[in-house]
Amino acid sequence: AQTVTQSQPEMSVQEAETVTLSCTYDTSESNYYLFWYKQPPSRQMILVIRQEAYKQQNATENRFSVNFQKAAKSFSLKISDSQLGDTAMYFCAFLKTSYDKVIFGPGTSLSVIP
Amino acid sequence: NAGVTQTPKFRILKIGQSMTLQCAQDMNHNYMYWYRQDPGMGLKLIYYSVGAGITDKGEVPNGYNVSRSTTEDFPLRLELAAPSQTSVYFCASGSGRTKNQPQHFGDGTRLSIL
Repeated sequence: AQTVTQSQPEMSVQEAETVTLSCTYDTSESNYYLFWYKQPPSRQMILVIRQEAYKQQNATENRFSVNFQKAAKSFSLKISDSQLGDTAMYFCAFLKTSYDKVIFGPGTSLSVIP
Repeated sequence: NAGVTQTPKFRILKIGQSMTLQCAQDMNHNYMYWYRQDPGMGLKLIYYSVGAGITDKGEVPNGYNVSRSTTEDFPLRLELAAPSQTSVYFCASGSGRTKNQPQHFGDGTRLSIL
């Protein structure tokens, strides 16, 4: 069975600084998708970034980028120039291409400090 | 530009009562999902649907039922409410562009069973 681990329950970062959130996963598959979702205090879930396992290039979306290490089964999220609006829970998620269910990690609570 | 709409936002039920959580999307998405989120945990998939008339169980389906008579609506039914079902429930939809990745989430329903 696939599992997703986020070893940092809580993190904080100063406004305008850079922070990296960790995620590791366990799978025997070679083809899959990885995601980072953001859940602000409003509780709305927002897709931040997506990575396809067969692509070697790390995905980037504006201030958000990932470091995808397939051999190490690691998928960290880097947030550059942190803003107060980045304060949220961040969930790492895994989807096997031949499987129907997205598996979510337990989440990391990120606080951006002014 | 409504996206995914969930009603109600909050509800308190007594043990043994039944209720239906409503979910509607206006994006013509084929894929719809119901998740529950317990405190300090990631999202667990309850049921999902790949199109009108088709539903399937997720990770934690016991105690719930769903139906999908139209593309737009995906209600979740609790027949005999139990304290273990106290949670925040999220409905989500997806176009299926990346297999079964949920793309849009509703604002959630906070349900307490007393």
